[in-house]
Amino acid sequence: DTGVSQDPRHKITKRGQNVTFRCDPISEHNRLYWYRQTLGQGPEFLTYFQNEAQLEKSRLLSDRFSAERPKGSFSTLEIQRTEQGDSAMYLCASSPRQRGTENQETQYFGPGTRLLVL
Amino acid sequence: GEDVEQSLFLSVREGDSSVINCTYTDSSSTYLYWYKQEPGAGLQLLTYIFSNMDMKQDQRLTVLLNKKDKHLSLRIADTQTGDSAIYFCAESNPFGDSSYKLIFGSGTRLLVRP
Repeated sequence: DTGVSQDPRHKITKRGQNVTFRCDPISEHNRLYWYRQTLGQGPEFLTYFQNEAQLEKSRLLSDRFSAERPKGSFSTLEIQRTEQGDSAMYLCASSPRQRGTENQETQYFGPGTRLLVL
Repeated sequence: GEDVEQSLFLSVREGDSSVINCTYTDSSSTYLYWYKQEPGAGLQLLTYIFSNMDMKQDQRLTVLLNKKDKHLSLRIADTQTGDSAIYFCAESNPFGDSSYKLIFGSGTRLLVRP
């Protein structure tokens, strides 16, 4: 399977603990996105990378959250001192380098990591 | 700010057509998308439309865009039980925002009755 993969698929942690999620994008996709989805809502943008550069961060991304993409391939999202409000599905998406002048971009989503903070 | 709204729920009988509606506030939205999410799964892109178009058809799917009213719809012809899922409308404005981030609605749950 050459789709976007995320690990782990599920994580249960106690409040105050740190957690780290991993995303492996589709090979050679240069853009990578993180979104958060809470129950009954659509995904909300958190941050995105173009290659290894983090180009945009949402205001939702508090200083307890940090994301990296050190070699421009896989990415990690770490949440420090987790709170119950962090419980959500964390989705990763990747998109390929644009061709020509078309500015449309298709984002391919992974299955998500479901986080439950007790 | 940007906002995308959808009705919460739609129930149709198998074989009928489904129409899922979406409204958005950002008049500079350039791309509008429909994604499908099945239980416990990520999002699957169904189709998208560029803002200079008013209609796009792709097999059983028809997207209609009314820019004046900022209204987008997705019609699914001959709806099947496998179409039961949550459908998300999303917009992006890469020209204005210099960002490709997607702004999603809260989703419409489609239930197809046999």
